Amino acid sequence: GQNIDQPTEMTATEGAIVQINCTYQTSGFNGLFWYQQHAGEAPTFLSYNVLDGLEEKGRFSSFLSRSKGYSYLLLKELQMKDSASYLCAVRVVAMFSGGYNKLIFGAGTRLAVHP
Amino acid sequence: KAGVTQTPRYLIKTRGQQVTLSCSPISGHRSVSWYQQTPGQGLQFLFEYFSETQRNKGNFPGRFSGRQFSNSRSEMNVSTLELGDSALYLCASSLELGKAGGRTDTQYFGPGTRLTVL
Repeated sequence: GQNIDQPTEMTATEGAIVQINCTYQTSGFNGLFWYQQHAGEAPTFLSYNVLDGLEEKGRFSSFLSRSKGYSYLLLKELQMKDSASYLCAVRVVAMFSGGYNKLIFGAGTRLAVHP
Repeated sequence: KAGVTQTPRYLIKTRGQQVTLSCSPISGHRSVSWYQQTPGQGLQFLFEYFSETQRNKGNFPGRFSGRQFSNSRSEMNVSTLELGDSALYLCASSLELGKAGGRTDTQYFGPGTRLTVL
């Protein structure tokens, strides 16, 4: 089966660094996405990894290790507005649907940033 | 460029009724995916359409159906509503959610339709 695990909740202090982990067991892995979702709003795209290594984008970085089925999202210089849910999503090739891709989402990690 | 739009934003229905939700993708995007989001289950994939064809389907009962029009706009329908269908229904569009992978597969989400079944 397809399984994606993330911590349910995390807390951090404004200005600090936080790392949100994501582990996955999927077949047909074809890339990993991170999304941010504020309460009552739509998820917004943060980052994408398909090869091993680190992708940096301003205060946000995402890392992938395909051999370990592991990714993390690193948020630096935390701000109050970073309080949100962070969704890890794995793109898999749906072998029984003509080989087309689909996204499988983890349940999300709710991050609370305190002053 | 306008984002993904969904209508209506909020909907209240009673058990047994049916509902139709609408999604207009970003201009130029041809792939539209639908998800159900609930506090307990997170984002669950419903189905994906490309060029008016359903290419992928999640594990939902046949009461959930959808279609896509030639202008890439999509609708999803839920018949014989149950209390458990109360959720946020999200639509996401991408240039191409195909086989090749890559950043063209990045999905952009609409604001969602909050469905409450009483």
